[in-house]
Amino acid sequence: GAVVSQHPSWVICKSGTSVKIECRSLDFQATTMFWYRQFPKQSLMLMATSNEGSKATYEQGVEKDKFLINHASLTLSTLTVTSAHPEDSSFYICSAYPGTRSYEQYFGPGTRLTVT
Amino acid sequence: DAKTTQPPSMDCAEGRAANLPCNHSTISGNEYVYWYRQIHSQGPQYIIHGLKNNETNEMASLIITEDRKSSTLILPHATLRDTAVYYCIVLNNNAGNMLTFGGGTRLMVKP
Repeated sequence: GAVVSQHPSWVICKSGTSVKIECRSLDFQATTMFWYRQFPKQSLMLMATSNEGSKATYEQGVEKDKFLINHASLTLSTLTVTSAHPEDSSFYICSAYPGTRSYEQYFGPGTRLTVT
Repeated sequence: DAKTTQPPSMDCAEGRAANLPCNHSTISGNEYVYWYRQIHSQGPQYIIHGLKNNETNEMASLIITEDRKSSTLILPHATLRDTAVYYCIVLNNNAGNMLTFGGGTRLMVKP
C-alpha cells in the first residue's frame, strides 16, 4: 500500500526557534498534500492545502507567515513553524493525495512538536 | 460538505461486532460517506467509503440507509487493536478531497 512518512516523529524546541517538518510520499507521487494540526483530545484541523509547484492555500485563522509550506516536488512537502511558541505545541499530520481515485488520501504518522 | 453527527464514545466486547452509527441528514446527492479511524498518536487510516450501496472490504462493512441520511460502520469481529477514534465524513468528490474531521466516536474494545 501507499506509504507516507514524516520526519521527525517528535521534536522539542525552544521558544523563538523554527522547526521544519518533512512529509514524503514514499511510493507514489502526490499532486496534493494537506497539513493538519491536532491538539490533545481534539479532532484534526486542516491547516493548509499544498499543490506541487504552487503556493499553499491556508485555512482561515492559520498564519501563512508563521506556518511556511513548501511543496517543491511530487513526493515532498515541508511545514516550517517559524518563531515557535508553546501554544504551537501540537501533533502535526500530513496527508498525500495521488490524484487517482477519490478516496486515496494517505496520512503520515504525525509529528509531535513540543515548544518549551 | 454535509455535517455529520456521531456518538462521542462506545464500548464493544472483544470478538463481538462493533456497530458505529453516523447521522448525515443533510447529505446531498453527490456526496460520498467516508470512514477513517485514528489509533492513538497515529495518523488517520482510511477504512471504507460508499455512495448509496452497502459496501464491504477486508476491514469493515458500511451500511447506508435508503434515504442516505445515516450510515453504520460495522467491524464484524472487533479486536483490541480496533480501539480508536472513528470518523465519519461526507465529501463531495469535486471538493478537492479536503477532509473535514468532526468529533468522531471513540471506540473502546474491551477484553
